[in-house]
Amino acid sequence: GAVVSQHPSWVICKSGTSVKIECRSLDFQATTMFWYRQFPKQSLMLMATSNEGSKATYEQGVEKDKFLINHASLTLSTLTVTSAHPEDSSFYICSASGAEQYFGPGTRLTVT
Amino acid sequence: GNSVTQMEGPVTLSEEAFLTINCTYTATGYPSLFWYVQYPGEGLQLLLKATKADDKGSNKGFEATYRKETTSFHLEKGSVQVSDSAVYFCALSRNAGNNRKLIWGLGTSLAVNP
Repeated sequence: GAVVSQHPSWVICKSGTSVKIECRSLDFQATTMFWYRQFPKQSLMLMATSNEGSKATYEQGVEKDKFLINHASLTLSTLTVTSAHPEDSSFYICSASGAEQYFGPGTRLTVT
Repeated sequence: GNSVTQMEGPVTLSEEAFLTINCTYTATGYPSLFWYVQYPGEGLQLLLKATKADDKGSNKGFEATYRKETTSFHLEKGSVQVSDSAVYFCALSRNAGNNRKLIWGLGTSLAVNP
């Protein structure tokens, strides 16, 4: 089946630094990828829709300048959390659209 | 607006027990309905889906029927196994095609004991 990878699987960074998370579709091409955020014991919150070759579409309330999304190729989308703060600590999940939506295993971000 | 409500967990069952995880939704029109499963340490996987009223989705012994009259999509399995231990998410989508935004329930954790 279709496989989506995320890297890194977990990361710890200091407050004020930036962190980049990669999402790759390994065996298929995805013109559309989605980025989600998941808080403990809560549902997935869609942050943005990433379209290859164009600007991402952000959901209401998500800061575009803080969560930079780049979808430079049909197999790679990146999420950069800029000037990270402790409240950005969360589990970030990406998905890629093929025949269905295929999900990556997630990235645990901890900001100290 | 569109929303999904599913029963809170955790749910703990013995092997071979019957499983029901309730899911109800609020949406205009005719959404597609999904159940996703997240096994420990793995990404979300599509378990089953239904795209129109009275459709029954089934996979790996799990079933769910799209009930428009009760706006429900309850997940059932007749005999659970230890390997079914996971978190189950109910979701709906109003969009068609690949640009499909999913609206999620909170997830229900299932633990099956031998």
